[in-house]
Amino acid sequence: GQQVMQIPQYQHVQEGEDFTTYCNSSTTLSNIQWYKQRPGGHPVFLIQLVKSGEVKKQKRLTFQFGEAKKNSSLHITATQTTDVGTYFCAGPRGFKTIFGAGTRLFVKA
Amino acid sequence: DTEVTQTPKHLVMGMTNKKSLKCEQHMGHRAMYWYKQKAKKPPELMFVYSYEKLSINESVPSRFSPECPNSSLLNLHLHALQPEDSALYLCASSQEGQGRGNTIYFGEGSWLTVV
Repeated sequence: GQQVMQIPQYQHVQEGEDFTTYCNSSTTLSNIQWYKQRPGGHPVFLIQLVKSGEVKKQKRLTFQFGEAKKNSSLHITATQTTDVGTYFCAGPRGFKTIFGAGTRLFVKA
Repeated sequence: DTEVTQTPKHLVMGMTNKKSLKCEQHMGHRAMYWYKQKAKKPPELMFVYSYEKLSINESVPSRFSPECPNSSLLNLHLHALQPEDSALYLCASSQEGQGRGNTIYFGEGSWLTVV
């Protein structure tokens, strides 16, 4: 069945460095969503991308949806300690939403 | 702040106990979910209720029993659990079903420990 693969599994960065996580699907996605989960917290919706090639920005976060609608990325510019957490992409599979394995971001001050 | 509230936040239960997790949302959402999340793993779908009817059961063992008393409430009844069932249990809701681009709103979760 359709899977949503996410890399890297984890990344350590120095505060101020950039960070990117990638999400790939074996099939075309009608949409893709991104969630953030802080340590000890719950997943919180960040954004949804729907259109081919779509790019959306939220302050230092840039989200992209590939032209073929099979891949997506989340890029954080100049990370801060508040960016620490796990970032999940999620895509539809039938009547369900399937989550990627997540990328854990560690930021060293 | 989440608009999906869950109780209790923490629960420790023995393998012979019967307990329940409760969830409430007042966003008028028609779909509600239970997820299980183990450490360093993504949320794993357990059950989906759509318009108060169980629409998806992801082959969850019968020791987990969901209940949807009305459109705002969702319970998860627990009985004869095993230590490996210890996890974070997340309730969530969306305007309609999943897979249609509906944002999923998660509660803060119930941390369950089975001893």
